[in-house]
Amino acid sequence: DVKVTQSSRYLVKRTGEKVFLECVQDMDHENMFWYRQDPGLGLRLIYFSYDVKMKEKGDIPEGYSVSREKKERFSLILESASTNQTSMYLCASSLTRRGYTFGSGTRLTVV
Amino acid sequence: SQQGEEDPQALSIQEGENATMNCSYKTSINNLQWYRQNSGRGLVHLILIRSNEREKHSGRLRVTLDTSKKSSSLLITASRAADTASYFCATALQGGSEKLVFGKGTKLTVNP
Repeated sequence: DVKVTQSSRYLVKRTGEKVFLECVQDMDHENMFWYRQDPGLGLRLIYFSYDVKMKEKGDIPEGYSVSREKKERFSLILESASTNQTSMYLCASSLTRRGYTFGSGTRLTVV
Repeated sequence: SQQGEEDPQALSIQEGENATMNCSYKTSINNLQWYRQNSGRGLVHLILIRSNEREKHSGRLRVTLDTSKKSSSLLITASRAADTASYFCATALQGGSEKLVFGKGTKLTVNP
């Protein structure tokens, strides 16, 4: 089975800190995604990548950047964390035209 | 605005009963997918139905797709307490990229 691993289950950071969320998949999927999930708002796409060094903005990219230097790793960067970025962050990967495999999520709290 | 909207928002049934959840969407799709999420965890892919398919089965799951009405339904038969979770539909837009647009989900509670 494909596994998507997110580096942290829970994370607490201070306002203004630079935050790195790491995601690694082990099955050679070309597509990788970062979503955030908030009560009442559902899942919203932040960024996605369909190849190494390729990235596209999702619906809410402001305040975030991403890096994909290797096929298996897709990093989400919060340049200067703010309290409104407190959320559950979900990473996923997929083959073209297939279902996603999600990681377990990182619950980030910015204080 | 959301591409997919699930209905109902919440559903509570007894073990052994069937559970039906519906999803409506706005624009043409390439495929529609259903996912399950247990509390506080990542989503798990359940089933994918392509725009040229009308019905698909997987174990106790049955998914239908009506592209003329832009709607889909997920039926879970003979539900179990372990089916308690949130269920999301997600659409891959026709001609679009690989990204999925998720609805806000139906919270299903199966009482023992």
